[in-house]
Amino acid sequence: DVKVTQSSRYLVKRTGEKVFLECVQDMDHENMFWYRQDPGLGLRLIYFSYDVKMKEKGDIPEGYSVSREKKERFSLILESASTNQTSMYLCACSLHFLNQPQHFGDGTRLSIL
Amino acid sequence: DQQVKQNSPSLSVQEGRISILNCDYTNSMFDYFLWYKKYPAEGPTFLISISSIKDKNEDGRFTVFLNKSAKHLSLHIVPSQPGDSAVYFCAASANNQGGKLIFGQGTELSVKP
Repeated sequence: DVKVTQSSRYLVKRTGEKVFLECVQDMDHENMFWYRQDPGLGLRLIYFSYDVKMKEKGDIPEGYSVSREKKERFSLILESASTNQTSMYLCACSLHFLNQPQHFGDGTRLSIL
Repeated sequence: DQQVKQNSPSLSVQEGRISILNCDYTNSMFDYFLWYKKYPAEGPTFLISISSIKDKNEDGRFTVFLNKSAKHLSLHIVPSQPGDSAVYFCAASANNQGGKLIFGQGTELSVKP
């Protein structure tokens, strides 16, 4: 089974702080993704990466950046946290990009005060 | 513009009966569809998928039906069990549009004993 581990289940930060969310997968998958989940909006793609040091913007990249220095690790960075970034953040990975299910971590519930 | 829509936020079903979850989409280029199940405080778990070359795919109690002309996808769970109570997300992707998954808003299923 694919294991996707997100470093924190719950996180509370203050407005203006720089926030790092970490994700590690153990299956040598090429592709990694960051989503946020908000009530009534489903999952929305923030950024994804199909290889080390490669990154692509998703549908809502504003206010976020990412880093993929190693294949197994994909970090999401909130450059200057704002209250509208309070959300559930989900990391996922997939073996191939096309026609493959993505496997998700358990999420990080982030609150920005 | 919501390309994938789940118009029912919630559904309640008696144990042992059939649960039918529905999903509509607008993008005719979608060619791969998936259903995910999500318990509170956990990440989404992949359930079942279907390619656009098929109209039905079955896995145990779960069957996904695809009606391309109506741009409609449904998930049937028979028989429903209390452990099926969760939020269900449908998702779709188009290989010739980058293959990103687009998620619906989710439907919360409650199976009552």
